[in-house]
Amino acid sequence: KAGVTQTPRYLIKTRGQQVTLSCSPISGHRSVSWYQQTPGQGLQFLFEYFSETQRNKGNFPGRFSGRQFSNSRSEMNVSTLELGDSALYLCASSLGPSGNTGELFFGEGSRLTVL
Amino acid sequence: EDKVVQSPLSLVVHEGDTVTLNCSYEVTNFRSLLWYKQEKKAPTFLFMLTSSGIEKKSGRLSSILDKKELFSILNITATQTGDSAVYLCAPYSGAGSYQLTFGKGTKLSVIP
Repeated sequence: KAGVTQTPRYLIKTRGQQVTLSCSPISGHRSVSWYQQTPGQGLQFLFEYFSETQRNKGNFPGRFSGRQFSNSRSEMNVSTLELGDSALYLCASSLGPSGNTGELFFGEGSRLTVL
Repeated sequence: EDKVVQSPLSLVVHEGDTVTLNCSYEVTNFRSLLWYKQEKKAPTFLFMLTSSGIEKKSGRLSSILDKKELFSILNITATQTGDSAVYLCAPYSGAGSYQLTFGKGTKLSVIP
């Protein structure tokens, strides 16, 4: 059973650009959540999607957005990149509310560097 | 606002030592406490604790949850170099959401 797949794994952007990250959850998992990890702040919740609907959003500016497709794949977008957006972006999948144990299955992450 | 504090932030031990990692939390709603291990990139699930008491896994790792005092402990005995990782804890509200508030983690380094 394939795990959570995130693409791209590494990318470098310059300030002001925008970026789109992709996440394919484990087959059968319908919930996808996104986290930002930085050395100073640790793992911080960005947003969560289930059945193409955003269920929750963390305390991040509107430059951070996401969506989920009918096949449960998800994308997140960051516009007008700032230096502080440099981080590891982790996607996690889970079964969804009916299988709600709290256990998340994480992908390897997308390492974003903003210059 | 949910708060999770882990201590120590980093720890260096020799192989064979026993370590204790701490996690205290303040959350509005509580259903369980999760522990994850992050070696390189992807955190991997270790434990889910729902009741006060001890949950064992793999024999060398064990965890205690105290719901009254709002803390959890992760113990690793006979440490090995493969235990080197960042250990993360997160309380889970179970309110139909996977929004977890993680602590900043404890970075464990096990040297031969």
